[in-house]
Amino acid sequence: AQSVSQHNHHVILSEAASLELGCNYSYGGTVNLFWYVQYPGQHLQLLLKYFSGDPLVKGIKGFEAEFIKSKFSFNLRKPSVQWSDTAEYFCAVIPNRDDKIIFGKGTRLHILP
Amino acid sequence: DVKVTQSSRYLVKRTGEKVFLECVQDMDHENMFWYRQDPGLGLRLIYFSYDVKMKEKGDIPEGYSVSREKKERFSLILESASTNQTSMYLCASSLGVKNTGELFFGEGSRLTVL
Repeated sequence: AQSVSQHNHHVILSEAASLELGCNYSYGGTVNLFWYVQYPGQHLQLLLKYFSGDPLVKGIKGFEAEFIKSKFSFNLRKPSVQWSDTAEYFCAVIPNRDDKIIFGKGTRLHILP
Repeated sequence: DVKVTQSSRYLVKRTGEKVFLECVQDMDHENMFWYRQDPGLGLRLIYFSYDVKMKEKGDIPEGYSVSREKKERFSLILESASTNQTSMYLCASSLGVKNTGELFFGEGSRLTVL
């Protein structure tokens, strides 16, 4: 079955640390890839997306993600995190032959001030 | 900005009650979705709709039904609530004939079934 795996369920970092959240998917064809973020008490919102072209995509608030097709990965990165980055992050995939978006189980990021 | 409004932020119901969760979007989106969000399980798709009066089952439709009589409104119905339906319910919408994945979410409805 098609799936999206987020390696870390809970990550704790200090401010200014670098961040990388892993995401792997199981579908072998063409895909659209996304990262969504849910700040405490707020609605889920799109952080960044990849459809085609440059595999390094930049999103809001200094986040970026790199699509590595050979590794079926779409890891999220930020060079220096802030306390306000505390949130839950969801990786998501749409296999282009399908209509449904498949979400990972989420990673809770906690930034210590 | 797209706004997806869920009518109730918090509900407490008793086992066996019928529950309606309403969702309205104001950007003329064709696609609407209902998810439930549980800790450690992420988002699971309950039902979705690509057009008025159209509905399709998602991954966990059992115990739920939906209604889409108007393009902007998508309702989730629990015919007889059970304790295992205690959860956060998220409504989302997106533009386009097919799902592009750019979903706009409401703030969620936290349902507790006693």
